[in-house]
Formats: sequence, structure tokens, C-alpha cells
Amino acid sequence: GQQLNQSPQSMFIQEGEDVSMNCTSSSIFNTWLWYKQDPGEGPVLLIALYKAGELTSNGRLTAQFGITRKDSFLNISASIPSDVGIYFCAGQLTGNQFYFGTGTSLTVIP
Amino acid sequence: NAGVTQTPKFQVLKTGQSMTLQCAQDMNHNSMYWYRQDPGMGLRLIYYSASEGTTDKGEVPNGYNVSRLNKREFSLRLESAAPSQTSVYFCASSPRGHPNFYGYTFGSGTRLTVV
Repeated sequence: GQQLNQSPQSMFIQEGEDVSMNCTSSSIFNTWLWYKQDPGEGPVLLIALYKAGELTSNGRLTAQFGITRKDSFLNISASIPSDVGIYFCAGQLTGNQFYFGTGTSLTVIP
Repeated sequence: NAGVTQTPKFQVLKTGQSMTLQCAQDMNHNSMYWYRQDPGMGLRLIYYSASEGTTDKGEVPNGYNVSRLNKREFSLRLESAAPSQTSVYFCASSPRGHPNFYGYTFGSGTRLTVV
């Protein structure tokens, strides 16, 4: 299967700090999605990106579709305790299948 | 706001036992998916159904079978469970064959342990 590398694997930050994470691959993707997973729950879609260079925001979250189409970035500004969770990127090559990254675990310290 | 409902939420099986994981969605979505989530591995697609009446293998289909019973329901069956199938299983759905514009809606997962 396709390998999507997410970094960092985990982050511990103070409340109010900004967060940056990324997802890279050796393959070119057509679509990038970012999901958040709370403990004991399924992932929930945060942001979807459809073309290279696209920059999309959802509240305090901003994501970008890399120019090379092999990477994507997610930023969270002014983190709050409820941002805690695991963040997954997912990339689509063709067809119905998305490939998921291994996740970035975020801990926000009040 | 039910969305995607999975049953059971937890299950312990002995090696060699069989079971069926149930999934139902009430959003009139065309496509449904089964993923497994393992530590450090992200989510991997087992099987999917692009529309009612069709099913296709994903990345890790071995040891599993699926049935798209109708537009709402998509079940995953383990015929002879193995410890390697210990995982968290997620069902998802999307409104069209290609989940480009809306991504997936996920259920809350089934935590399966095979001993």
C-alpha cells in the first residue's frame, strides 16, 4: 500500500501555542483530507483539499495542498484543550480509496 | 443524528471463532467502507462497496468477507478469527462513488480482541 508519513508522531504543547504538522508521500495525490480522532471515536473530517497549492481554513485550522502534490500541511492556531486528539492525513490517488497516514497525537497542556 | 452506526462496540473472540460486524448508515450514502486501525499503522482499507450490489477488495482483505445487504447496511465477516485480526474496525460511508468532496463519515468503531 501507499506510505503516508506524518510528522511529528506526537506533540505536547502549551495551551495558546500554534501547532504545525505535515504529511508526505513519494506518490502524487489528487485529494488530501485531514481528520481528527477523539479517544474512543471514529475520525471526523476537518478539511478537504482538491488542488495543488490550495490553502483552506476551518476556524483556527488551516491546511495546504503542497505544490508538488506529494505533501500536505495542517496548522492549528491558538490551541485549546479540546484540540487534543490524533490528527490523520489521507490522500487519494484514483478511484474510491484513500490512504491514511499514521497520525499525529496532540496533547495540549492547560 | 445517528450517521454511521456500528455494532458491537467491543468483542472478544477465541481463535477460530467467527463473527459479523454490523454497520448501518442513515444518510442515504452510496458508498461504504471497512477500515482497520492498528497502532502505528494508520487506517487501512479492508473492503469497500462503491454502490449497492458491488463490493471490492481494499488494501488488506485477506481473512475477511463483506456483504452489502442494502443501501444502508454493510457487514464485515471474520470466518475464522486469528490474533492478527485484533484491531479497531471502522465503518465509513460517503455520498457518492468518489468521496472527493465530502470525505468519509466514520462510525465510532468496534474494538475486537482475538485471544
